[in-house]
Amino acid sequence: EAGVTQFPSHSVIEKGQTVTLRCDPISGHDNLYWYRRVMGKEIKFLLHFVKESKQDESGMPNNRFLAERTGGTYSTLKVQPAELEDSGVYFCASSHRTTNTEAFFGQGTRLTVV
Amino acid sequence: AQKITQTQPGMFVQEKEAVTLDCTYDTSDPSYGLFWYKQPSSGEMIFLIYQGSYDQQNATEGRYSLNFQKARKSANLVISASQLGDSAMYFCAMREGSARQLTFGSGTQLTVLP
Repeated sequence: EAGVTQFPSHSVIEKGQTVTLRCDPISGHDNLYWYRRVMGKEIKFLLHFVKESKQDESGMPNNRFLAERTGGTYSTLKVQPAELEDSGVYFCASSHRTTNTEAFFGQGTRLTVV
Repeated sequence: AQKITQTQPGMFVQEKEAVTLDCTYDTSDPSYGLFWYKQPSSGEMIFLIYQGSYDQQNATEGRYSLNFQKARKSANLVISASQLGDSAMYFCAMREGSARQLTFGSGTQLTVLP
């Protein structure tokens, strides 16, 4: 079974540019989460999808961030325009609809805004 | 207030010895789940072990066990017979009540010495 896959693994962009991160969850997992770890800080929750619906987006930092999950499969997280403080590692995780235990994480996308 | 506190930024342990990584948590919800994840240098987050707040017994998974002390609000991870491959960052996390997202601690960098 394939795990959670994230693309790209690294991205370096200039301030003001746009970047789109992609997450492919484990097949059949309805729950999909985005998290972010800014350098030296804790991993923070960004938002949660159940299938294609945004269940909780309370962690999204501002309106420069847009997440989508069309069709309830893969998800994208777009940052537009990127700022220096957006640099960090963006993790995606997925879990089965009925599970109350673990979520499976991807390897993360390291975003550097210069 | 911090929801999850990991007071050990870094830990060293000799190969084949046991090591305890500390985690304390703060919640007023009687229903919660506690998680430990391992993040090796390759970047992916690997689920290790889960403890539910109503579980009577401490969780164990192979060489990993969770020392759950509910009254003290602590959920320490014990790794027995450390191996060189255990060198990684370890994160403690919590899910509260009906919320689906995880709240993470700042992590502990474990180094296993040969």
